[in-house]
Order: sequence, then C-alpha cells, then structure tokens
Amino acid sequence: DGGITQSPKYLFRKEGQNVTLSCEQNLNHDAMYWYRQDPGQGLRLIYYSQIVNDFQKGDIAEGYSVSREKKESFPLTVTSAQKNPTAFYLCASSLTGAWDTYGYTFGSGTRLTVV
Amino acid sequence: AQSVTQLDSQVPVFEEAPVELRCNYSSSVSVYLFWYVQYPNQGLQLLLKYLSGSTLVKGINGFEAEFNKSQTSFHLRKPSVHISDTAEYFCAVSDENNAGNMLTFGGGTRLMVKP
Repeated sequence: DGGITQSPKYLFRKEGQNVTLSCEQNLNHDAMYWYRQDPGQGLRLIYYSQIVNDFQKGDIAEGYSVSREKKESFPLTVTSAQKNPTAFYLCASSLTGAWDTYGYTFGSGTRLTVV
Repeated sequence: AQSVTQLDSQVPVFEEAPVELRCNYSSSVSVYLFWYVQYPNQGLQLLLKYLSGSTLVKGINGFEAEFNKSQTSFHLRKPSVHISDTAEYFCAVSDENNAGNMLTFGGGTRLMVKP
C-alpha cells in the first residue's frame, strides 16, 4: 500500500544533541512538508519542498534543517540550536508542487522528547 | 493571505447528540477547503473536502460540511456522534493565489464525546 512512513515513532534526545527524523513516501508525490504540533497550537510549518534538491523555510525553521536528495525522502534534523524541541512532528506530502486539489497525506508522526 | 479560524478549541458533547464544529476562512479568491481528523498520537486523516460544485459535502464516518461563500464558512456537522468520534479536528484552506500548494490549517477543535 502507498503511504508515508515516519520513523521512529518515539525519540528521546539529550540536550545538545542533533537528531534526525525520517520521512519516506511511496506515493510519487512531488511536495513534502514538515509540521510541528504542540498542545493547543495546531500545526506549524517548519520546512517544505516542492521538488527534489529544493526546499523552503516555513514559519518556524530556526533550529531545524532538511534535505531533499530523493523524491521519496525528506528527513528533518533537529539541531542543538532548537531550544524547545519536545513536540509531535508530522510529515506530509501532496501530489504536485502547484495548486493541488487533493490535500495532503500525513504520516503517523514522531514524538520527540528531550531528556 | 489566506487564514483559517476555528472558533472553538474544545467542544464537549454527549453521545448520540448532534455536533457542529465551526470553521471560518479569510480569502478573497476561489478556495479549496478541507477537514482532517487526528486521533491521539496519530497523523491527520482526510475527512472531506470541498473543491467545487455542491456546497454540501459528505465525508467519512457520517460527517458532512457546508461551504457558505457569503459567510466564508465551512462548518463540520454530524447528526449523532459516537464515543469513537473523540479526536481533534482541523480545518484547512488553499486558494488560487497560493502557487506553492500550501494548505493553511486552523488551530484545531478537540471534540470530546461523553457517555
């Protein structure tokens, strides 16, 4: 079945460490997105990519980095510069980078906790 | 720029009662509208979408929504809720000015169904 796979489901990070969250899709979607979700704050966009080897900052990109070397993969690195990384992270994809009528497909999320 | 407001952060309701979750958007051009549902510790699933045509849209799990252009609203309704409908619901909008295929999400409404 086609879909988006996020791994790991739970991740624990020590302060000062970088960690990388994986996001893989086999839907042949062009565009991919990373969101951060905190209680009561909805979804906030971190980074997005509309095409391979290109990505753009979202509303809260500071302390995060991404790469898009393959169409299927859009990993997110949470760096030590992110002062409050404990959150639920969601990856999504959509069919085209242009105006799309089908919305997004979401992964099941990664819960990151700083210990 | 487009924006979405979900007026209620929490909606408590008894089982088998009707429910309406409110969503208002801000956009001066044609829009596409979506409702997503998120169960605890999971990603978002598409409930229904309005692209064009009939303003009453039916989705999964007995939900429906009505697009009202004059009131710039897209409220979600269900005539009789079940305990299993307890979840967070997100309204999202994309408009024709958004060449980057971006969905803008509301802050979410937590539906709490009580026995």
